[in-house]
Amino acid sequence: EVQLMESGGGVVRPGGSLRLSCAASGFTFDDYGMSWVRQAPGKGLEWVSGIDWDGDSIGYADAVEGRFTISRDNAKNSLYLQMNSLRAEDTALYHCARGDGAEYRWNVLDIWGQGTMVTVSS
Amino acid sequence: EIVLTQSPGTLSLSPGERATLSCRASQSISSSYLAWYQQKPGQAPRLLIYGASSRATGIPDRFSGSGSGTDFTLTISRLEPEDFAVYYCQQYGSSPRFGPGTKVDIK
Repeated sequence: EVQLMESGGGVVRPGGSLRLSCAASGFTFDDYGMSWVRQAPGKGLEWVSGIDWDGDSIGYADAVEGRFTISRDNAKNSLYLQMNSLRAEDTALYHCARGDGAEYRWNVLDIWGQGTMVTVSS
Repeated sequence: EIVLTQSPGTLSLSPGERATLSCRASQSISSSYLAWYQQKPGQAPRLLIYGASSRATGIPDRFSGSGSGTDFTLTISRLEPEDFAVYYCQQYGSSPRFGPGTKVDIK
C-alpha cells in the first residue's frame, strides 16, 4: 500500500524549532518529488515547500523562506522539514505529499499523509 | 506570482443537483497546470482533476474539469451525499499555490 506517515509535531514556543519527518512506503521514493503542505485550524491549504527526487531543486513559500529547510534521505525513504524561528502563524497541520513525477513543480500531489500538528504558543 | 480566487465561497445544494465551482488565476496558467482536490473534515485532501480536465485514478465520471488560461471550472453533475466537502484548486507550475477553497454543503 502506498503510504506517507508524518511525525514530529508538537507544541513549541515562539522562536523555537521543530523537525518534521515523513516516512514513505509502498513506492519507489527516489522516483518522486515531494512537498509539504500545511493547513491552519479552520483554514485552507497552503503549499510550504517542495524538493525534487534528488534534492537538487528546492522551493519555499515566501512565508517560510529563510526559516524552514526541506531535505530528504532517499536511502531511508524519508522527507524532512526543519522549522526554525517558529511563529504563532505557523500553527497548522503539516501534510507531506507526493508529486506525480520527479520534480516537485509541474506535478500534482497525488498521495497525501494524514498530517502532524504543530502548535506554536507561549 | 499567480494568485487563485475561487467562487463562490460556499455553495448550498441538494443531493442530485449540479454543482459548478469556479477558479480564476491572476495570470495565465501554462499548459493547464491546474488541479482540483476534495477535502472532507478530518481527512487529507484527495486529488480529483489534473491538467485542468483529466480525472485522477478512481474518480467518478460525475466530476469533470474544464477551462484554460485564467478561468477554470469544476463541475459535479449530480451531487451524491459523499460529495459534500471543501474543494480546492491548485496551480502546480513554477511556484505551487492553492486557492482559498469552495465549501459545498447540504441545502
